[in-house]
Amino acid sequence: AQSVSQHNHHVILSEAASLELGCNYSYGGTVNLFWYVQYPGQHLQLLLKYFSGDPLVKGIKGFEAEFIKSKFSFNLRKPSVQWSDTAEYFCAVTGDRDDKIIFGKGTRLHILP
Amino acid sequence: DSGVTQTPKHLITATGQRVTLRCSPRSGDLSVYWYQQSLDQGLQFLIQYYNGEERAKGNILERFSAQQFPDLHSELNLSSLELGDSALYFCASSEGTFNEQFFGPGTRLTVL
Repeated sequence: AQSVSQHNHHVILSEAASLELGCNYSYGGTVNLFWYVQYPGQHLQLLLKYFSGDPLVKGIKGFEAEFIKSKFSFNLRKPSVQWSDTAEYFCAVTGDRDDKIIFGKGTRLHILP
Repeated sequence: DSGVTQTPKHLITATGQRVTLRCSPRSGDLSVYWYQQSLDQGLQFLIQYYNGEERAKGNILERFSAQQFPDLHSELNLSSLELGDSALYFCASSEGTFNEQFFGPGTRLTVL
């Protein structure tokens, strides 16, 4: 069955630290991959997406993600986090097998000032 | 502001009751998605409509139903409510099926 796994449920970092949030998916066909962010008290919004082409995708606010097909991974990275990056981050996948979108359970990121 | 609107913002009701949540998608978006977000279950995809027709179903209970109207707004009906149905219900819209989704502000449902 299709699934998305985010291994880090809660991450605490200091400002200026580097960030990597893991996302692994299980899907038998061609995938489209997304990272969404939900700032405290707000709705989800798209950080970045991968449909095809360059597996290194750059998003808003200095975030990037790399699609590694052989590892079924789409990890989110940022070289230097800021306090304002405190939020919950969701990885999601859709694909050509069906029309469902599957979200991971989310990673709560807390940045210490 | 994503362009997706949801009403009401907050809803408090009792067990056994029925409620209707409303969503208006962004102008031009044909797909509407419903999600339930709770602390223990995380973000769960419930159902998707595309141009008035049901397109995909996720973890939606039989007590829940939805529809998309000709003007593309959507309603999510929750009946025989239980305490465990208390959650934040998000609606999202997109142009097609695989495009970026734009999320509304959510409706917080509290079942007492």
